[in-house]
Amino acid sequence: QKEVEQDPGPLSVPEGAIVSLNCTYSNSAFQYFMWYRQYSRKGPELLMYTYSSGNKEDGRFTAQVDKSSKYISLFIRDSQPSDSATYLCAMSEMTGGYQKVTFGTGTKLQVIP
Amino acid sequence: DAGVTQSPTHLIKTRGQHVTLRCSPISGHKSVSWYQQVLGQGPQFIFQYYEKEERGRGNFPDRFSARQFPNYSSELNVNALLLGDSALYLCASSLEGAGNTIYFGEGSWLTVV
Repeated sequence: QKEVEQDPGPLSVPEGAIVSLNCTYSNSAFQYFMWYRQYSRKGPELLMYTYSSGNKEDGRFTAQVDKSSKYISLFIRDSQPSDSATYLCAMSEMTGGYQKVTFGTGTKLQVIP
Repeated sequence: DAGVTQSPTHLIKTRGQHVTLRCSPISGHKSVSWYQQVLGQGPQFIFQYYEKEERGRGNFPDRFSARQFPNYSSELNVNALLLGDSALYLCASSLEGAGNTIYFGEGSWLTVV
């Protein structure tokens, strides 16, 4: 079983829809939770960063963490064609004196005009 | 401010050859990490360096090595290249080695033929 599970999609939605992206994890030591957006052939771009259970909002993006269920989500409101990309969840833990980050496989999102 | 910069952006090598990839972190960041991203997968952790010392190593063979210089820039070296080493190699920087957000560069695309 992978430490981080993420549905690879692809997920196709119409412009303006609310998008829900999810990851589950098995490692209770994960402390920090991140979402990255990656356009084709580019490096990952940080979208959201949180370390506690609950919701964090930034513009059209809301990150949700439920540590009791080991489940995190990213919601995108009023989705735009420019949101079409691969979304990576990432989680980190302190181990052996360093911050180890584990990524999901990424969900490919397509927003259709 | 400049983000994480990596060079070269693309390169093609032959099996058995050696490659060196370079990374300059965001100004003020002291920690550099290296990741390998194979097509269709999330980034996999290779190394983390902080203050010129290796702090963590992922599950990669000894053919992979790295170092960090006094100016906090870093090199990733891969010896005896295999076809399976073809991937996007990502460098990420953070302020310190623990509990901080990591920011990625655009990566170096390595193709081994």
